[in-house]
Amino acid sequence: QSALTQPPSASGSPGQSVTISCTGTSSDVGGYKYVSWYQQHPGKAPKFIIYEVTKRPSGVPDRFSGSKSGNTASLTVSGLQAEDEADYYCSSYAGSNNVVFGGGTKLTVL
Amino acid sequence: QLQLQESGPGQVKPSETLSLTCTVSGDSISRSAYYWGWIRQPPGKGLEWIGSSSYSGSTYYNPSLKGRVTISVDTSQSQFSLNLTSVTAADTAVYYCARFKRFFNWFDPWGQGTLVTVSS
Repeated sequence: QSALTQPPSASGSPGQSVTISCTGTSSDVGGYKYVSWYQQHPGKAPKFIIYEVTKRPSGVPDRFSGSKSGNTASLTVSGLQAEDEADYYCSSYAGSNNVVFGGGTKLTVL
Repeated sequence: QLQLQESGPGQVKPSETLSLTCTVSGDSISRSAYYWGWIRQPPGKGLEWIGSSSYSGSTYYNPSLKGRVTISVDTSQSQFSLNLTSVTAADTAVYYCARFKRFFNWFDPWGQGTLVTVSS
């Protein structure tokens, strides 16, 4: 199984919206609704922010939203804030009890 | 509040076995709704799923590591462990343990992570 493809970087100004893509295949992202997203600040453990493509765990601001079209999932961060600057990783179920992560995207708040 | 904490040697010699333990507190490790997983992150790189185990011993491993990895659960100690054999420098990484919701594919919460360096 290959890692999911994410852009290495993304950026936006405070208050703006930014979307991060996560591209896989029909064997992972496109084949299941089990895509999750994680936020990781430098030196910290990843934090769970989206599950089942569009759902937010309790306590995650509604500025974070997820979607999927075909083999590509997306994370949108609206109303960008300074604290949103972090690395973001997607993950998908890949069949046969396998899990695959994306390579990560560094989000910069300008 | 569920918490996880990794422990183990910070350095392992090439060709030897990397062994880590994750201690679970704040909730039962024996909940059937969840699995327990290991994920690693080489310095400056992305996340890689290593494998997951139920409390009863059903295990699933990343095919790229199969044959070298074993995950086991000790319910009496509320711990689960990772063994990775025949390590090389490529196995140098921060190793995280996390609770895993099987089928729904999410990890939460995560331990703080522990850096393991493979070096002689």
